[in-house]
Order: sequence, then structure tokens, then C-alpha cells
Amino acid sequence: AQSVAQPEDQVNVAEGNPLTVKCTYSVSGNPYLFWYVQYPNRGLQFLLKYITGDNLVKGSYGFEAEFNKSQTSFHLKKPSALVSDSALYFCAVREGSARQLTFGSGTQLTVLP
Amino acid sequence: NAGVTQTPKFRVLKTGQSMTLLCAQDMNHEYMYWYRQDPGMGLRLIHYSVGEGTTAKGEVPDGYNVSRLKKQNFLLGLESAAPSQTSVYFCASSYLLREQYFGPGTRLTVT
Repeated sequence: AQSVAQPEDQVNVAEGNPLTVKCTYSVSGNPYLFWYVQYPNRGLQFLLKYITGDNLVKGSYGFEAEFNKSQTSFHLKKPSALVSDSALYFCAVREGSARQLTFGSGTQLTVLP
Repeated sequence: NAGVTQTPKFRVLKTGQSMTLLCAQDMNHEYMYWYRQDPGMGLRLIHYSVGEGTTAKGEVPDGYNVSRLKKQNFLLGLESAAPSQTSVYFCASSYLLREQYFGPGTRLTVT
């Protein structure tokens, strides 16, 4: 069975500071990992994914994520946060050729001016 | 490209009423999905389809039915709405098992 956890419901960070949104996962085989962002009253938007290869994945809007197999984590990062980054962030995992994607419960990121 | 569109955007139903939510995509994706989003629970998969004429159950299928008569459309039906089905419903599509593209959502309230 596949599962994903986002241990923080809320993350606050000052504008210009680095941000990290945490995600850990559990799968039996190889993980396929995704980050999505949701702005108020909108659908989810794809940010980045890890399939295989380099453990540091770069995505949209300056976001990146680091895949750590030994810690089963896939934390989302950005070197310098913007107020416009404030949104709800979801981590998701799929195991191998599984057709279903499992989402975490989401982390509300607030960037303070 | 409109991407993924959903109809309607809002709906209020009384308990026991029925309705159909329509999802359409113009990206020629084979895979389509219906999710519900509830506070603190992330997104949960209701049903999905891997091609025209095929459907499969997801994590929370009870009380819902789906149909995929055309490749670009995926319909979600509620035969007898219950207050527990009050939620925001999202449709998504993907090229095989790649990243999913989401619609804007339908906010459904069942009283």
C-alpha cells in the first residue's frame, strides 16, 4: 500500500527567507513523487515530480524538491519565499505502475511580508 | 487550450436528489479521475478511467457512479445525494501515468 504524510498543517515564513514544506512517503517499490499547489478557490497545479535520476528536482516558480530514499522524504524547498507563494501545498505518491495517486492532507504555507 | 473544464461550478441539492457533474478535457488524455476534497483530508479518489468505455473504483466510490462514453468526457453521478457528499469535487486528466491536470472544481452542498 502507498501512503504519504505531510506532518505540518501550517508553515509560516517571512518573505525573502528560505522555505521548506515537508513530505514523507511509504511504498513497497519505487516511488513516483509529485508536488502540487492550490490557490484559493482553484484547482491543483502541478509543480514538480521525481521519477528517477537526480535527487534534486527543479520545478515551476523557483521551487525544488529533494528526494531522500533513506529517509523516505521528498521535501519542497525554495531559497527565497514570496508573498505570492502563500497557498495550500500537496505532496502525492504513486508506487511503480499503480494507477492511483495518493495525496497528503496538505500544508498551508503563509509568507509574511 | 481550455485544459480541464468542469460543469457546474456550484450546486445545492436536497437530500435524495440526483445530479451529474461533467468533466471535459481537450488534451487527448487517456486517463481521467474524479476526486473529492474535504478539509484536512487532502484529495480522495472516487473513480477513475484509463480509456473510453472503461471505469474503475477509487478509494471512496460508494454513492457515486461514473461513465466515460467519449474520450474527452468523464461524468460523475450522484443518484441519491446525502449530506456526507457535501464537498468540493475535482476532475483531473493525465497522459498515461504522468502528472495530472486539474479542473477548477465544483462546490456541492447537500442539505
